[in-house]
Amino acid sequence: AQRVTQPEKLLSVFKGAPVELKCNYSYSGSPELFWYVQYSRQRLQLLLRHISRESIKGFTADLNKGETSFHLKKPFAQEEDSAMYYCALSESWGKLQFGAGTQVVVTP
Amino acid sequence: GAGVSQTPSNKVTEKGKYVELRCDPISGHTALYWYRQSLGQGPEFLIYFQGTGAADDSGLPNDRFFAVRPEGSVSTLKIQRTERGDSAVYLCASSLGPSGSYNEQFFGPGTRLTVL
Repeated sequence: AQRVTQPEKLLSVFKGAPVELKCNYSYSGSPELFWYVQYSRQRLQLLLRHISRESIKGFTADLNKGETSFHLKKPFAQEEDSAMYYCALSESWGKLQFGAGTQVVVTP
Repeated sequence: GAGVSQTPSNKVTEKGKYVELRCDPISGHTALYWYRQSLGQGPEFLIYFQGTGAADDSGLPNDRFFAVRPEGSVSTLKIQRTERGDSAVYLCASSLGPSGSYNEQFFGPGTRLTVL
């Protein structure tokens, strides 16, 4: 069975400091991985997907198949990055399996 | 343009009652997904529609849960004989086609269901 693990429930960082959210997965096939974000009082939205290898709002995530990880990183956290972040794995037609989420709090 | 909408935004009901939760997907989106999010957890898949048919209902927890999408647009999630453990936020998402790396799922605001 596939599984997504986010070991940190809460991550508190200072503005300007680097932030890294951990995500590990178990999946027998070739994974499709995503990071979703939910800002306060907003709906869940896609942040980035591994296949596009893009940087969104300064965030990047690299798929490491050897370590079965897809950690999310940003070199300099901003206050507007405070949100709930979910790592998710997709089967081929799109059924998403989410991790439990990491709450990020960026303090000035 | 209009995003995914869900009604009601909040529903409080008593144990044993029947509830219906509605989802209006983005116009033209053929794929529709229902998820359930319990407190402190990530969303959990319930069911996926491609057009009018349920292509995967493996996430429905038991036969008290049922969902329909008769015209391939609006979907209704129906819960019979509600239990306190059904209390959660029910999320709906839609995508242009079967989702994956190339078709983004767009989420609605959710319906918060409380069973007393």
